[in-house]
Amino acid sequence: NAGVTQTPKFQVLKTGQSMTLQCAQDMNHNSMYWYRQDPGMGLRLIYYSASEGTTDKGEVPNGYNVSRLNKREFSLRLESAAPSQTSVYFCASSATGATGELFFGEGSRLTVL
Amino acid sequence: GESVGLHLPTLSVQEGDNSIINCAYSNSASDYFIWYKQESGKGPQFIIDIRSNMDKRQGQRVTVLLNKTVKHLSLQIAATQPGDSAVYFCAENRYGQNFVFGPGTRLSVLP
Repeated sequence: NAGVTQTPKFQVLKTGQSMTLQCAQDMNHNSMYWYRQDPGMGLRLIYYSASEGTTDKGEVPNGYNVSRLNKREFSLRLESAAPSQTSVYFCASSATGATGELFFGEGSRLTVL
Repeated sequence: GESVGLHLPTLSVQEGDNSIINCAYSNSASDYFIWYKQESGKGPQFIIDIRSNMDKRQGQRVTVLLNKTVKHLSLQIAATQPGDSAVYFCAENRYGQNFVFGPGTRLSVLP
């Protein structure tokens, strides 16, 4: 009964390095999301995928790319990491899209030096 | 650690007392609201939801109140327990749009 699984849980990068955050859900949900959470701020949407084969920008997409690999998996890539991307990243999924409850992963803490 | 000036509002309550956490939402067209609980080092977890055609909804030890006139949402937790210590935040949604999350309130339960 895993729900939403994110890897890695922790990562330290140097400025300019690239990395990919992986997310998988086992609830057969159509919609998947990537959020970032910064101190004192609410969750901000980076990218989302309303259904397999589609992706769209959210509120803060700059510096990120995503891939909806299949219905289960949605990855977030940082091509050239910047210190401003230091954050906690959460993947979420939803059965019914924007109007349904979001199920979140445990988060991935990324530090960019 | 936290950036200077970006501190979450904090509510401290005695164990056994009732807690009331407030949230002002931004979009008068929002029609669906959720309260989430986030424990330290974990992802947010669903607590309770309410749609705009309701003023009140009750769950187990929790009640959500919605005042659309002033765009205000509150979460009431009865008989607060140590396990309720967490950050709570509300999320608003309008059909066809994505959720918008509030900054959150940190609840501390004092023994």
